[in-house]
Amino acid sequence: EVQLVESGGGLVKPGGSLRLSCAASGFTFSSYSMNWVRQAPGKGLEWVSSISSSSGYIYYADSVKGRFTISRDNAKNSLYLQMNSLRAEDTAVYYCARSVSGSPNFDYWGQGTLVTVSS
Amino acid sequence: EIVMTQSPATLSVSPGERATLSCRASQSVSSNLAWYQQKPGQAPRLLIYGASTRATGIPGRFSGSGSGTEFTLTISSLQSEDFAVYYCQQYNNWPLTFGGGTKVEIK
Repeated sequence: EVQLVESGGGLVKPGGSLRLSCAASGFTFSSYSMNWVRQAPGKGLEWVSSISSSSGYIYYADSVKGRFTISRDNAKNSLYLQMNSLRAEDTAVYYCARSVSGSPNFDYWGQGTLVTVSS
Repeated sequence: EIVMTQSPATLSVSPGERATLSCRASQSVSSNLAWYQQKPGQAPRLLIYGASTRATGIPGRFSGSGSGTEFTLTISSLQSEDFAVYYCQQYNNWPLTFGGGTKVEIK
């Protein structure tokens, strides 16, 4: 069974940093691209970042470019999102999601971790 | 950036009725279009990819159609568990973009 479990969310002050993790199991992690998608409270879905299976291709939304860094450790079956210079508008549930390489739709999602940026 | 526009924002439907949801892209996305269902407090679930291919385990009452800029998700006979918010997403170009969602509510 495919499982994606996010962790690392919490309350952080504007300008602060946070590192999210996503632990994957039930599939060959190193064969899939991975993604972060977020959802602000009461709002729709927003794609944040994607990383290819071997980390050769990385993409970011303009809203986070230069502040967030996606990475993965295939030996640990883990995906990460380093978030720096956080703003109030980054407050959201952050989902980890899997996609087939070359076809970035999201076939499995984690349950999400809430990031709240507030003073 | 490709803008995805969903309509209507809210759709009121009685159980057993047919629901038709629309998604329009600001430029062609070919057939690189997915649909997701999200229930309150839950993560989204992939329903359709490639505009018309049902994802694993998705019931046959869900069907997708369209290509280019106009897409439709049809739920042939609404069940109680189908009342939710539905999102379309294009994956033809970066950045990936979602529509604003259509809430399907009980009439």
